[in-house]
Amino acid sequence: DTGVSQNPRHKITKRGQNVTFRCDPISEHNRLYWYRQTLGQGPEFLTYFQNEAQLEKSRLLSDRFSAERPKGSFSTLEIQRTEQGDSAMYLCASSSDLSGNTIYFGEGSWLTVV
Amino acid sequence: QKEVEQNSGPLSVPEGAIASLNCTYSDRGSQSFFWYRQYSGKSPELIMFIYSNGDKEDGRFTAQLNKASQYVSLLIRDSQPSDSATYLCAVRGLGSNQFYFGTGTSLTVIP
Repeated sequence: DTGVSQNPRHKITKRGQNVTFRCDPISEHNRLYWYRQTLGQGPEFLTYFQNEAQLEKSRLLSDRFSAERPKGSFSTLEIQRTEQGDSAMYLCASSSDLSGNTIYFGEGSWLTVV
Repeated sequence: QKEVEQNSGPLSVPEGAIASLNCTYSDRGSQSFFWYRQYSGKSPELIMFIYSNGDKEDGRFTAQLNKASQYVSLLIRDSQPSDSATYLCAVRGLGSNQFYFGTGTSLTVIP
């Protein structure tokens, strides 16, 4: 499977705990995006990387959220001190300079904060 | 504030009919327009994109763009029960790396 890969697919955590999601983009895609989607809503942009540089961050990305892409390949999204409002599907997407106008999503990571 | 508006539906059509999904956007500078399909519990998958005014056809799907009216639509011909899903409209602005999504329109194709 050469698509965008996300792990874990499902995570249940207690409020206040930290969680980390990993995203492996399509091979050779230099652009990587994180989105969040809650029930009945469209995906909301969180952050964007071009290679290892984090070029854009949404106001939605509070200081409890941090994303990295250290070597310009895989990326991690960490949520510290989780709150019930963080429960959502976290989507990773990637694109290349050639397909820059088209992003391809992974299967998503479901987070439930109890 | 960039906004993408869609009628949330639900939209129901009989099998074999044409389903028409609509989307409006607020940013006149938007350059690229996308339609994604999302099955319940799954992630969005790209159906098609359009950049220029007019129609773009791909199989049973036709995207229509009218930049003057800031309006994008998706027509699904010969609708099948497997087309039942939520359809998301997405817009990318000029020089922007952000894709803005609508809330989606739920489509049900009745056998």
